[in-house]
Amino acid sequence: DAEITQSPRHKITETGRQVTLACHQTWNHNNMFWYRQDLGHGLRLIHYSYGVQDTNKGEVSDGYSVSRSNTEDLPLTLESAASSQTSVYFCASSESGLEIGELFFGEGSRLTVL
Amino acid sequence: KNQVEQSPQSLIILEGKNCTLQCNYTVSPFSNLRWYKQDTGRGPVSLTIMTFSENTKSNGRYTATLDADTKQSSLHITASQLSDSASYICVVSKGGGNKLTFGTGTQLKVEL
Repeated sequence: DAEITQSPRHKITETGRQVTLACHQTWNHNNMFWYRQDLGHGLRLIHYSYGVQDTNKGEVSDGYSVSRSNTEDLPLTLESAASSQTSVYFCASSESGLEIGELFFGEGSRLTVL
Repeated sequence: KNQVEQSPQSLIILEGKNCTLQCNYTVSPFSNLRWYKQDTGRGPVSLTIMTFSENTKSNGRYTATLDADTKQSSLHITASQLSDSASYICVVSKGGGNKLTFGTGTQLKVEL
């Protein structure tokens, strides 16, 4: 069965370190997204990609970057981790764009920045 | 500001009982409304997607309604089961805006 997997599921890091969260999907979807989920907030879009070599900023993109070198993977990099980036991160993919496409989410990566 | 408000924030019900979760939104223009179920420690899973012209949609024991005039939606769960314990998230898609606005969810606990 097609799926979307995230790794690591849990990570603890220190302020200032670079961190990369991996996302791999086997749906063969062109569209991939990264969200963060925090208490008191709905999921918020960090970055998204509509295809290979395409990346776009979401509503909370500061301090994050993504790259899309193939259809299956969209890694999320925190260049210099900050305590405010402690959160649960979800990767998602869809066959269609955000407006109409059903999103398929990964299981999440819980990141703690000390 | 485009917003999605859900109520109640949390709810405890006995197994076998029905319940209704509410979602009010101000997102405009409207494209579609979705309900997701998120189990603890897992990613959200889609339950329903409704467009402007659909006012009721069912998925097993889950029935979603939409009133686009009043900008309200509800999710009704029938004959609840322990496995229904989860957070239920309402999401509204903005027409032409390529943007989803997520509610903060209703945390449902089903007890014996």
